[in-house]
Amino acid sequence: AQSVTQLGSHVSVSEGALVLLRCNYSSSVPPYLFWYVQYPNQGLQLLLKYTSAATLVKGINGFEAEFKKSETSFHLTKPSAHMSDAAEYFCAVSVNTGFQKLVFGTGTRLLVSP
Amino acid sequence: DTGVSQDPRHKITKRGQNVTFRCDPISEHNRLYWYRQTLGQGPEFLTYFQNEAQLEKSRLLSDRFSAERPKGSFSTLEIQRTEQGDSAMYLCATLLLLGRGDEQFFGPGTRLTVL
Repeated sequence: AQSVTQLGSHVSVSEGALVLLRCNYSSSVPPYLFWYVQYPNQGLQLLLKYTSAATLVKGINGFEAEFKKSETSFHLTKPSAHMSDAAEYFCAVSVNTGFQKLVFGTGTRLLVSP
Repeated sequence: DTGVSQDPRHKITKRGQNVTFRCDPISEHNRLYWYRQTLGQGPEFLTYFQNEAQLEKSRLLSDRFSAERPKGSFSTLEIQRTEQGDSAMYLCATLLLLGRGDEQFFGPGTRLTVL
């Protein structure tokens, strides 16, 4: 069964520093992978997705992620953190290409300090 | 605003009462999913519809839960005889099925508190 693991429930960075949020997946078939962001008391917004095209995926708000099959990873990065990036981030894998149910990780809360 | 709306945004109820939530999808989206998110966790799949047909239900969806999507438009999720363990955020997501890896658009959620 497909699953994702997010390492670190909380990540703290200073404004302007590199953001790195880790996600490892498990899948018996080529996965479709997603990163979503959730602000307090709101739904989820798609940052970016990997669907077997380019392994380096660029998303909104300056985020990008690289699919590494050998490491079964899909880590999310941003070169320079902004205060507005403080939120909860979820990695997800799409289960069964027809079904397209999402299986989410437990999330990583990003804290950005001035 | 993703274009998916949910009503109500917040619901407080007493244990044993019935509650109903509504989700209005983006108009042309043929798939609709319900997820449940508890504090400190990622969303968990409950059920989904292809147009008006309910095609899959999670084991999380006990017989106290029922979902409908009449006419393939809006959807409702009803919980009967609510329990404190039902307290969670209930999220609706919709997509236009084109192929693979299609984006799901999430609504703002309904936060349920069972006292």
